[in-house]
Amino acid sequence: DTAVSQTPKYLVTQMGNDKSIKCEQNLGHDTMYWYKQDSKKFLKIMFSYNNKELIINETVPNRFSPKSPDKAHLNLHINSLELGDSAVYFCASSQELLLFYEQYFGPGTRLTVT
Amino acid sequence: QKEVEQNSGPLSVPEGAIASLNCTYSDRGSQSFFWYRQYSGKSPELIMSIYSNGDKEDGRFTAQLNKASQYVSLLIRDSQPSDSATYLCAVDNTDKLIFGTGTRLQVFP
Repeated sequence: DTAVSQTPKYLVTQMGNDKSIKCEQNLGHDTMYWYKQDSKKFLKIMFSYNNKELIINETVPNRFSPKSPDKAHLNLHINSLELGDSAVYFCASSQELLLFYEQYFGPGTRLTVT
Repeated sequence: QKEVEQNSGPLSVPEGAIASLNCTYSDRGSQSFFWYRQYSGKSPELIMSIYSNGDKEDGRFTAQLNKASQYVSLLIRDSQPSDSATYLCAVDNTDKLIFGTGTRLQVFP
């Protein structure tokens, strides 16, 4: 009965490859997010979608492209992976686009680029 | 200047004591404040939210907010070893959350 789920949990790949991470929420929330947590545990927002519409794009390289086929799903595709992309990527959702709405996180996808 | 600042710790407290975690933020327009707990290798878990000045209590947790001082804190009473984790402070900035780097709490028996 997972509220926010992500696949895969672990992803190990070589530089230059293209990979995707999928996220689904069954909370009926309108807003979904992608966060990156680096090795120093700093959690930073990358994108947010509200009802399938891109709201936030935080100076993320063009190699990262989010896609929201419906408001329950938000996928992240990464082209030409680089060593610096290694991190844990978290999907999150909230009832509406902030201000006062609490965000709930998925289990994370640990991406390792070799 | 960092937008949300926390002492990285570790903060070590004995079992049964009160753990006090602090956070300062730079945006005076912020209106929503959250505390997340993150166990090693796990995702952030929301434990408290606070929107107005003063204290908000939930079980062993109390969040305190002082907008004039741009300060938010989390008190954990009767600390347990299971409370050992990293605690992330998050503050709204228009349409997104800004997270602090977290404070690592260690509760020893």
